[in-house]
Amino acid sequence: GAVVSQHPSWVICKSGTSVKIECRSLDFQATTMFWYRQFPKQSLMLMATSNEGSKATYEQGVEKDKFLINHASLTLSTLTVTSAHPEDSSFYICSARDLGAGRYNEQFFGPGTRLTVL
Amino acid sequence: LAKTTQPISMDSYEGQEVNITCSHNNIATNDYITWYQQFPSQGPRFIIQGYKTKVTNEVASLFIPADRKSSTLSLPRVSLSDTAVYYCLVGGHGSGNTGKLIFGQGTTLQVKP
Repeated sequence: GAVVSQHPSWVICKSGTSVKIECRSLDFQATTMFWYRQFPKQSLMLMATSNEGSKATYEQGVEKDKFLINHASLTLSTLTVTSAHPEDSSFYICSARDLGAGRYNEQFFGPGTRLTVL
Repeated sequence: LAKTTQPISMDSYEGQEVNITCSHNNIATNDYITWYQQFPSQGPRFIIQGYKTKVTNEVASLFIPADRKSSTLSLPRVSLSDTAVYYCLVGGHGSGNTGKLIFGQGTTLQVKP
């Protein structure tokens, strides 16, 4: 089946620094990828839709200048958390649609990236 | 996007059948119903999808009544490894569909020995 990878799997950084998280579709092309954030014991919260070759679409309440998304190719989307603060510590998960998949709108999720801001 | 309601948690024992019901009263005509499973510190994984009646695959069954306002995920003979959070999602297709998924609170299933 379709595989989505994320890198790094975990990262610890100091407050005020920027962190980049990569999301790759390994065996299919994804014109659309999604970024989620998940706090402990909570559900996934959609942050933004990443569109290849165009600007990302952010959900209400998500600061686009803080969470920079770039989808430069059909297999790679990146999320950069700029000037990270402790409250940005969370589990970040990406997903991608494989339009060639048999099931409607099935999304394949990456393994997640645990961000800890000190 | 149709809102879903599920029980927050369920307990079961190994070998039992588990049924998790999801309410989606505002489901639209072109909406599909999809269930995902998530283990701690992992991304969700697709379990099953359906539009109406019954769907069965190697891991689960999905029952959808005629009015489609609810659906039931059935896990036969659960094991300890089925302990996870289960999410029910509904979404439509068509040219206007962005494909985004909005996750509800999910159901935390705890399987006991």
